[in-house]
Formats: sequence, structure tokens, C-alpha cells
Amino acid sequence: DIQMTQSPSTLSASVGDRVTITCRASQSISSWLAWYQQKPGKAPILLIYRASSLESGVPSRFSGSGSGTEFTLTISGLQPDDFATYYCQQYTGYSWTFGQGTKVEIK
Amino acid sequence: EVQLVQSGAEVKKPGEALKISCQGSGFNFHRYWVAWVRQMPGKGLEWMGIIYPGDSKTRYSPSFEGRVTISADNSISTAVLQWSSLKASDTAMYFCARGSTYGALDLWGQGTSVTVSS
Repeated sequence: DIQMTQSPSTLSASVGDRVTITCRASQSISSWLAWYQQKPGKAPILLIYRASSLESGVPSRFSGSGSGTEFTLTISGLQPDDFATYYCQQYTGYSWTFGQGTKVEIK
Repeated sequence: EVQLVQSGAEVKKPGEALKISCQGSGFNFHRYWVAWVRQMPGKGLEWMGIIYPGDSKTRYSPSFEGRVTISADNSISTAVLQWSSLKASDTAMYFCARGSTYGALDLWGQGTSVTVSS
């Protein structure tokens, strides 16, 4: 199975900061990577698909990059609504795996 | 409205059977993969398995194969996750989600809370 490792596990930041979360795959997954945002008690929301494509309706301050085994999610100008937990997820060969999550906290 | 609506919260005893459901509306249900995702209390997301309602093709995570069964009924646009014998460790929130062309899960149900306790 492909393992996904996110870093950091927790991130403290202030409103307006530029935030970067990294996700590494245990083997190449090409660009089959998505990013999600989840708030407590709520279902996750898709932010980015195919590593860098912005899902419809998602603010443009969210961006994704990478391919192969290393990927990043960047939030340019953190907003109060962005404090949440973020997950990466890979898809290859009818198998899906999530990273362990990164919690973005208020500094 | 395009949505996935899940069945309500369940409280069960160890050893009991359970089925929870996920009904799609506003889109061609049989043409999309439907995934099930577990989230244990205070923990992250875990992919359990996925089904293509069009032909009932199913794939399971090795961590869940043999422990749960995923099925679908196209006539009512519903996917089902079931257990034959629950354990306390099955206590969690369970989400269904629609698989998009690029493998991302672009539409989620609201979640079904399952509590297993004696």
C-alpha cells in the first residue's frame, strides 16, 4: 500500500500568514493527489484535485503543487475561516490513502 | 440539489449487525464511484472501500476487507456499508463520498455516527 506522510502535524499561524503543508508519498503517484479541509464535526471539503487544480468555489488563496512523491498545499494570506485540519489523499489503482492530517491553529 | 444524504446515528452492542446508508440525488448515481471513509474519535480519515454502482465493482482497503461489506442499490441511488458483528473499536463517524474523474472525493455525505458499547 502507498503511505502518505504529511508535515507538520500541527502548525501555528496568524491571520495573513502564508502557510505551506507538505505531503510525501511512499512511491510515485504521478499527480493523483487531492487536498481536503475539515472542520470539527463537519464533513471534509475538497480543495485541490490532480495535485494543482482548484475545485470550483474554493478561494484562490489555496493552491497546490508537486508531482511524483512530493506535494505542497499553500494558503496565501490565511483567513479566520481557514483554521482547520487539512488532509492529503492519493489515488492509484483503485486504492485511496489519506495522510494523517495537519491541524492549522491560531498563533 | 446535488447531495449525498446518510442515514442517522446508531447505537449498538458488540456482536450486533448494522447497515448504514448513503443516498445520492441530483446526479447520475450509477456513473460515479462511492467511497466510505472512517473517522475514529479525534483521529484522521481512513479510506475503507469504494463501489461503482453501475456494475457493483468493489474495492476494499486491506485494513477493512473481511470486516465490512459495501453494496449499492441503483434503483434507489443508495450505497450501503454493513457489519455482521460489531466491535467496540468500530465506534466512529462514517462518511460516504462521491469519487470524481481524477480520484478526488468531490461530494460528501454529512456523516453517520456509530457507537458500539455494551
